[in-house]
Amino acid sequence: EAQVTQNPRYLITVTGKKLTVTCSQNMNHEYMSWYRQDPGLGLRQIYYSMNVEVTDKGDVPEGYKVSRKEKRNFPLILESPSPNQTSLYFCATSRITGGTRGYTFGSGTRLTVV
Amino acid sequence: AQSVTQLDSQVPVFEEAPVELRCNYSSSVSVYLFWYVQYPNQGLQLLLKYLSGSTLVESINGFEAEFNKSQTSFHLRKPSVHISDTAEYFCAVSDGGFGNEKLTFGTGTRLTIIP
Repeated sequence: EAQVTQNPRYLITVTGKKLTVTCSQNMNHEYMSWYRQDPGLGLRQIYYSMNVEVTDKGDVPEGYKVSRKEKRNFPLILESPSPNQTSLYFCATSRITGGTRGYTFGSGTRLTVV
Repeated sequence: AQSVTQLDSQVPVFEEAPVELRCNYSSSVSVYLFWYVQYPNQGLQLLLKYLSGSTLVESINGFEAEFNKSQTSFHLRKPSVHISDTAEYFCAVSDGGFGNEKLTFGTGTRLTIIP
């Protein structure tokens, strides 16, 4: 079954404690991306990757890092989380086909930073 | 830069009544348009998309959307809603072009069905 797997689903952490949210896909998609969803703001892109070792900033990259060492994995790293990073996070993937045909989303990670 | 405006943050509708969720976009080039649905406590699922061809696109569960280039709109409609349609709906736009995979999302419309 084609899927995008995010872990954990829920996470409560304290300010400043480094954390990683994992994302893995089994569809051999080149493109992977992280979004955060906040009430009234919709989804905003944090980082994206066009392929292995190719990453770039999205619209709201401050406070986040990513890596793409393997095609299937695209972890999101918060080195020093702050309360304003409390949000619902989604990993999304797609093939690169000359214009997106739409994303496949993970189930989301609800992060609370206290 | 592309952008999406969803004019209504919340839409309450009686069961079996029709509904229209509005979406307007701005983009300097030709676009691909999408509607995604998010059921409570779930991720986003693709509902329907316009890439090219017929301007009227349909989903398997009775929704349809019409691409109107002159009005830069992509409104979502359903002639008769059900309780199971309660969800948040997001409109999204992509500029297309090779390697340009970014989707820009609207702020969402929460559809509530009243029994």
